[in-house]
Amino acid sequence: NAGVTQTPKFQVLKTGQSMTLQCAQDMNHNSMYWYRQDPGMGLRLIYYSASEGTTDKGEVPNGYNVSRLNKREFSLRLESAAPSQTSVYFCASSPGLDSAFFGQGTRLTVV
Amino acid sequence: SQKIEQNSEALNIQEGKTATLTCNYTNYSPAYLQWYRQDPGRGPVFLLLIRENEKEKRKERLKVTFDTTLKQSLFHITASQPADSATYLCALVVTGGFKTIFGAGTRLFVKA
Repeated sequence: NAGVTQTPKFQVLKTGQSMTLQCAQDMNHNSMYWYRQDPGMGLRLIYYSASEGTTDKGEVPNGYNVSRLNKREFSLRLESAAPSQTSVYFCASSPGLDSAFFGQGTRLTVV
Repeated sequence: SQKIEQNSEALNIQEGKTATLTCNYTNYSPAYLQWYRQDPGRGPVFLLLIRENEKEKRKERLKVTFDTTLKQSLFHITASQPADSATYLCALVVTGGFKTIFGAGTRLFVKA
């Protein structure tokens, strides 16, 4: 049982480049989330999807877009990467509001 | 403004002692409070949930308390072991909302 799988694990981008972070879960959860984690700060919600076909902005959505491709997959796209987007990105899924299951993270550096 | 605060200083304790970590919040009305463990280079792992109408929750060596009057949760690890060394995150699920708000975490070191 893989849980939440994120790809890639590491990525270096040049300023202005675009990329998509992929996330898939095999737990049949309705809700999926994208967070970023920066040193000394809590996980900050970028976007979430309460169910297939819906997406909503979180705390820090600027510079990002998302797609809930189906119930399993939720991708995060950076259209024009900036150094401020250097961070560790986590995808999570949850069966409800009482817990969340996280992927291993994507470490992104924008130079 | 809304804030969740965890002690940013690392907690160092001796093996066998009880570790106590604190989570304070302001200007939230949480429905649930969650605790997660995060190891270096890995994603957070869910440990425990406590609801707003619960005072205490236990799971094996873990105990969580939740005081909505003080706006504080305490997370205890009894008989701590070096393997308990990690960062522990608290998170609030806000009443009526869909979002989970995370604290920055407290690093715990358990020395053998």
